[in-house]
Amino acid sequence: NAGVTQTPKFRVLKTGQSMTLLCAQDMNHEYMYWYRQDPGMGLRLIHYSVGEGTTAKGEVPDGYNVSRLKKQNFLLGLESAAPSQTSVYFCASNSGRAGDTQYFGPGTRLTVL
Amino acid sequence: QQQVKQSPQSLIVQKGGIPIINCAYENTAFDYFPWYQQFPGKGPALLIAIRPDVSEKKEGRFTISFNKSAKQFSLHIMDSQPGDSATYFCAASSHGSSNTGKLIFGQGTTLQVKP
Repeated sequence: NAGVTQTPKFRVLKTGQSMTLLCAQDMNHEYMYWYRQDPGMGLRLIHYSVGEGTTAKGEVPDGYNVSRLKKQNFLLGLESAAPSQTSVYFCASNSGRAGDTQYFGPGTRLTVL
Repeated sequence: QQQVKQSPQSLIVQKGGIPIINCAYENTAFDYFPWYQQFPGKGPALLIAIRPDVSEKKEGRFTISFNKSAKQFSLHIMDSQPGDSATYFCAASSHGSSNTGKLIFGQGTTLQVKP
């Protein structure tokens, strides 16, 4: 039982390049989330999904797109990376039952030059 | 708009001390208040959580105190140890009819416990 995994762990992009971050969970969770973490700002929700085939915008969705084609996977895409997207990205999941724990992945450190 | 405000930003205590981290929220619909612990290079992990129907919850050396009327809650770490050195985040969520499990996080507190 690996929990929540994220690939890649590190990535450096040039401005304008695109990339996709992959999140996978093996806990059969309904809900999945993408956050970004920046110094002094806590974790901010980018997009989330409450089930396979569904996605919704969070607090800071601009410049990102997501897809949830399979229940266990949640993809975060950057179509045209900008230096402001330099951050640590965390994926999380939970069962969807009220008050259930959100389980976080180990994070992806992204640098955009 | 920051709905959960956390303080202090950083905290240094001696081993055995009792660090206290405070959070204040605005949305009275919040009904679930977890604390997360994060070590460098790792993802946050749930430490302890409370619902507003109780004023205090203890799990080992960690205690949450909750003041519903003041819309504040705090984390106390009893007999703190160097291994408690980490970043702590408070959070809040609402589980109403549109339950999405979304968490609103505070800004985080970096705790250092000196030996």
